[in-house]
Amino acid sequence: EAQVTQNPRYLITVTGKKLTVTCSQNMNHEYMSWYRQDPGLGLRQIYYSMNVEVTDKGDVPEGYKVSRKEKRNFPLILESPSPNQTSLYFCASSFLGRGDTEAFFGQGTRLTVV
Amino acid sequence: AQSVTQPDIHITVSEGASLELRCNYSYGATPYLFWYVQSPGQGLQLLLKYFSGDTLVQGIKGFEAEFKRSQSSFNLRKPSVHWSDAAEYFCAVGRTGANNLFFGTGTRLTVIP
Repeated sequence: EAQVTQNPRYLITVTGKKLTVTCSQNMNHEYMSWYRQDPGLGLRQIYYSMNVEVTDKGDVPEGYKVSRKEKRNFPLILESPSPNQTSLYFCASSFLGRGDTEAFFGQGTRLTVV
Repeated sequence: AQSVTQPDIHITVSEGASLELRCNYSYGATPYLFWYVQSPGQGLQLLLKYFSGDTLVQGIKGFEAEFKRSQSSFNLRKPSVHWSDAAEYFCAVGRTGANNLFFGTGTRLTVIP
């Protein structure tokens, strides 16, 4: 089954404790991205990657890091989480350079930073 | 700069009534436009998309949307709403085709019996 898998689904952590949210896709997609969803703000793109070792900032990258060492994986790293990073996070993937395609989303990771 | 406006934060409709959710966009090039639905506690599911061609596009679950370039709009419609349609709906512009999506703030739909 084609899917984007995020782990964990729920996470509560303390300010300053480094954490990683994993994302994996099995569709051989070149493009992967991370979004955060906040009430009244919709989804905003954090980082994206167009292929292995190619990453770039999205609209709200401050406080986040990513890496793309393998095509299927795109982890999101919060090196020193703060309460304003409490949010619902989504990973997405899609083919690159194809006009008729769509983004597939993971189930989301609800992060609470206390 | 791009923008996507969903002017209705919350809409309530009766089951069986028709539905229209509004979306206006601002984008320099020909836009790739999408509607996604998010059911409570779930991820996002694509309802429909517009790339080019026929401006009236059909999607899943009986939804359709019409692209109107002159009005910079891509409104979502359904002739008869079911209770299971209660969810949050997001309009999005693809800044690089289907990639690099820029979302509106969403419209929450409540369906009453």
